[in-house]
Amino acid sequence: GAVVSQHPSRVICKSGTSVKIECRSLDFQATTMFWYRQFPKQSLMLMATSNEGSKATYEQGVEKDKFLINHASLTLSTLTVTSAHPEDSSFYICSAREAAGSGYTFGSGTRLTVV
Amino acid sequence: AQTVTQSQPEMSVQEAETVTLSCTYDTSESDYYLFWYKQPPSRQMILVIRQEAYKQQNATENRFSVNFQKAAKSFSLKISDSQLGDAAMYFCAYRTSGSARQLTFGSGTQLTVLP
Repeated sequence: GAVVSQHPSRVICKSGTSVKIECRSLDFQATTMFWYRQFPKQSLMLMATSNEGSKATYEQGVEKDKFLINHASLTLSTLTVTSAHPEDSSFYICSAREAAGSGYTFGSGTRLTVV
Repeated sequence: AQTVTQSQPEMSVQEAETVTLSCTYDTSESDYYLFWYKQPPSRQMILVIRQEAYKQQNATENRFSVNFQKAAKSFSLKISDSQLGDAAMYFCAYRTSGSARQLTFGSGTQLTVLP
C-alpha cells in the first residue's frame, strides 16, 4: 500500500534555531499534503494544506512565516519551523492524498522538542 | 464549519467483548465522507474504516463496523471480539466536500482493552 516516509522521527533543537521535517511519498504522487500538529492526548489540528507547485494554505492562527511549507515536487513536502521556541514543541504529522477520491496516507510523525 | 464530537474521552472493554465508540458531527453538506482512525502508542495513524454519506449500507471491515445515522449525524464504531492490539486512541474524522478535502478530527477516545 501507499507509504509516506516522515523524517526525522525525533528532533531536539535549541531555541532560536530552525528545524526541517520531511515527508516523502514512496510509491505514489502526493498531489496534496496536509500538515498537522498534535499535543499530548489531544486531537490532530490541521496547520496547513499544500498542493504541489502552489503556495500552502494556512489555517487561522498558524503563522506562515514561522511554519514554512514547501511542496515543490509530487513526492516531497517539507515543514520548516523557523526560530523555534519551547512552545513549538509538539508532535507534527503529515498526511498525503494522491488524487480526487483517494484516501489519506499518514507519515509516522515527528516529535519536536525545543530546549 | 464542520465539527466532530467524540463525547467519550476514555472507554474500556474486556478482551473478546464488544465495545461501541460514539461520534457525532455537524455539517450542512449532503455529500461527505466519514472515517475512523486508530492511533496506537507508536502514534502512526491507521485507517480503520470509512463511510460514504451517500451509501445507506453501514461499512464493515472484519471485526469493525459502523452505525451511520445520517439524519441524526451520528457515526459510531463497533469493535467486536476486542483484542489487546485494539488498545489505542480512536479518532472520528469528517472529510469536506470542498476542493481542499481536508479531514476534521474529533477529540478522540482512548480505548483500553482489559485481559
